[in-house]
Amino acid sequence: GAVVSQHPSRVICKSGTSVKIECRSLDFQATTMFWYRQFPKKSLMLMATSNEGSKATYEQGVEKDKFLINHASLTLSTLTVTSAHPEDSSFYICSARDHGGTSGRASYEQYFGPGTRLTVT
Amino acid sequence: AQTVTQSQPEMSVQEAETVTLSCTYDTSESDYYLFWYKQPPSRQMILVIRQEAYKQQNATENRFSVNFQKAAKSFSLKISDSQLGDAAMYFCAYRSGNSGYALNFGKGTSLLVTP
Repeated sequence: GAVVSQHPSRVICKSGTSVKIECRSLDFQATTMFWYRQFPKKSLMLMATSNEGSKATYEQGVEKDKFLINHASLTLSTLTVTSAHPEDSSFYICSARDHGGTSGRASYEQYFGPGTRLTVT
Repeated sequence: AQTVTQSQPEMSVQEAETVTLSCTYDTSESDYYLFWYKQPPSRQMILVIRQEAYKQQNATENRFSVNFQKAAKSFSLKISDSQLGDAAMYFCAYRSGNSGYALNFGKGTSLLVTP
C-alpha cells in the first residue's frame, strides 16, 4: 500500500509551451501533497504545498504564475509548468501525506512519487 | 528556518562493513521529526528510518540505526553489514511537528559500496 504515482515519468517540451504533471495517491487519501524540485546531484527543494480544495502555498522564490498547482480531489494534485524555458528543466517529485482517515496509518507519513524528468528544448 | 547539514558529500564502505553518515540540524522547536531517505539511481525516494524528537530511544530498522543526540542536534545514520544495494544518495530530513508536514532536506551523501 501507500503508493504514489506520477505521470508522465519523462516529458520533453518546446520552449514556450506548457506541461502538466500529475501526482496521484493510489490507495489512500491525501489532503496535502508537496511538490519538490531536484537538480542533478542536488537535494530536493520544496516548491509548494498543495492542499485539497484550497490554494497552494508556495515557497519563497517560486513563481506561482509559472508553476500552477491544482489539488481538486483527495487523490490528485497537478503541477503545470507554464511557458516553459530551458532553465525549468529539472526532476520534479511529488509526495503525498496520508491523513490516516482511510488507511489507519500514522498521519505523519509522506509517500513519494517516482518523479518526472522535464526537459525543455 | 530550520537547516539540515550533511557534511559528507561522498562516503565509501566495503561490503559487510559498517558506515556512519552524519547529519546535524538547527532548530528552535522542541517538537519535530527526523528522517533518513535513500535515493537509488532510480530516483525513487525511500524512507529508511525516522525518529521522533520526543523519543529518547534511538530508532532501529534492521541493519539501519540512528544515533540521535538531541542536545547536540545530531542525527547520524549507521548502516551495518553494508550491501551492494545500499549504494545510493542518502538524505537527512527534518519535519516540524508544529506547522505543516513539508520536509527540509540536507544536501545528501553519496554512498559507494565496494565489493
